[in-house]
Amino acid sequence: GEDVEQSLFLSVREGDSSVINCTYTDSSSTYLYWYKQEPGAGLQLLTYIFSNMDMKQDQRLTVLLNKKDKHLSLRIADTQTGDSAIYFCAVATFNKFYFGSGTKLNVKP
Amino acid sequence: DGGITQSPKYLFRKEGQNVTLSCEQNLNHDAMYWYRQDPGQGLRLIYYSQIVNDFQKGDIAEGYSVSREKKESFPLTVTSAQKNPTAFYLCASSATSGGASGNEQFFGPGTRLTVL
Repeated sequence: GEDVEQSLFLSVREGDSSVINCTYTDSSSTYLYWYKQEPGAGLQLLTYIFSNMDMKQDQRLTVLLNKKDKHLSLRIADTQTGDSAIYFCAVATFNKFYFGSGTKLNVKP
Repeated sequence: DGGITQSPKYLFRKEGQNVTLSCEQNLNHDAMYWYRQDPGQGLRLIYYSQIVNDFQKGDIAEGYSVSREKKESFPLTVTSAQKNPTAFYLCASSATSGGASGNEQFFGPGTRLTVL
């Protein structure tokens, strides 16, 4: 199966940019996703990127995909306290989903 | 409003009892999933179903059972054979035919099960 890895914690100051990283192992991955989970809630899809793209921008969110290194990142510009949550990377391969362990983002005022 | 509902939000169970968690979706999705999440950890797949009356074991199916009698519903039973059932349970669904965003999974709000 696929291995999807993320660092566990990230702490930033309000107004700074946050960069959350994810690595995966299966080069046949088709779609790659970023989900956000607030405390005690389900996962909410933030954005996604198709594997033939290098970058996707959506308001404050920028997704970068390096297929050669199998590396995905999510950049949040002007990070706010409301962005504090757990962020999951997910990789889709042949109709199967693989999730990373999640990165807990702490935004300090 | 289309979406996925899970009930109840909090559930308490005595050791040795079976308990069933509800998951309903009105998104007309063929595929449905059950995940378990432990504190500070990611999601682990328990069972999934690609079509009505069919389902497959995920990575941690032991001590759990499911049914898929209707497209909209995918209940999960946590049996007394599950040794450590206290966790947060998440249900998800997806379309099996890919759209512009592939087969993204939509999640319910979760059920927190506590064994007393």
